[in-house]
Amino acid sequence: GQQVMQIPQYQHVQEGEDFTTYCNSSTTLSNIQWYKQRPGGHPVFLIQLVKSGEVKKQKRLTFQFGEAKKNSSLHITATQTTDVGTYFCAGLSNDYKLSFGAGTTVTVRA
Amino acid sequence: NAGVMQNPRHLVRRRGQEARLRCSPMKGHSHVYWYRQLPEEGLKFMVYLQKENIIDESGMPKERFSAEFPKEGPSILRIQQVVRGDSAAYFCASTGLAGEDTQYFGPGTRLTVL
Repeated sequence: GQQVMQIPQYQHVQEGEDFTTYCNSSTTLSNIQWYKQRPGGHPVFLIQLVKSGEVKKQKRLTFQFGEAKKNSSLHITATQTTDVGTYFCAGLSNDYKLSFGAGTTVTVRA
Repeated sequence: NAGVMQNPRHLVRRRGQEARLRCSPMKGHSHVYWYRQLPEEGLKFMVYLQKENIIDESGMPKERFSAEFPKEGPSILRIQQVVRGDSAAYFCASTGLAGEDTQYFGPGTRLTVL
């Protein structure tokens, strides 16, 4: 079955620095979605990427979908304490099954 | 514009008891997904239901776990004879149309088995 892998599992970042988290699927995806879960909270939808090579930005967050539609990345610039949480990618297969990665848990050093 | 609702938010059970978790999807949504999240882990798909139908239960343990989404009322995830390993956060998510992909999550039920 479809597998979605995320790396790194943990990301410790100095406030103000940039970092990137990566998502890889074992199969070609119909689309990829990103969610954020704050500590003690529930996953909240951030964005969806559909087209091969698509790039979308939300303020300091840049999301990219690979040309082969099997991988994606999330890049955060000038990390702030509000960025703390776990970022999940979720890949939608062609049979409409959504598979979540294990997430990247981000902590920020002030 | 009520979002996805889950209750209870916290549930404590002793080993061997039953746990019932409820999920009311967002207004107008008829597709419900249940996920389990163990501490420090990701979301594990359990089951996908539409009204009165189980569409995909490939992630459900074969024993003790069942789910339903009746014509009226919330979706129910039922765990019989709970064990300590069932302690986790259980989230449900809903979507509106078949194949609509953005999932809206409820606040979750945190189950603790003593």
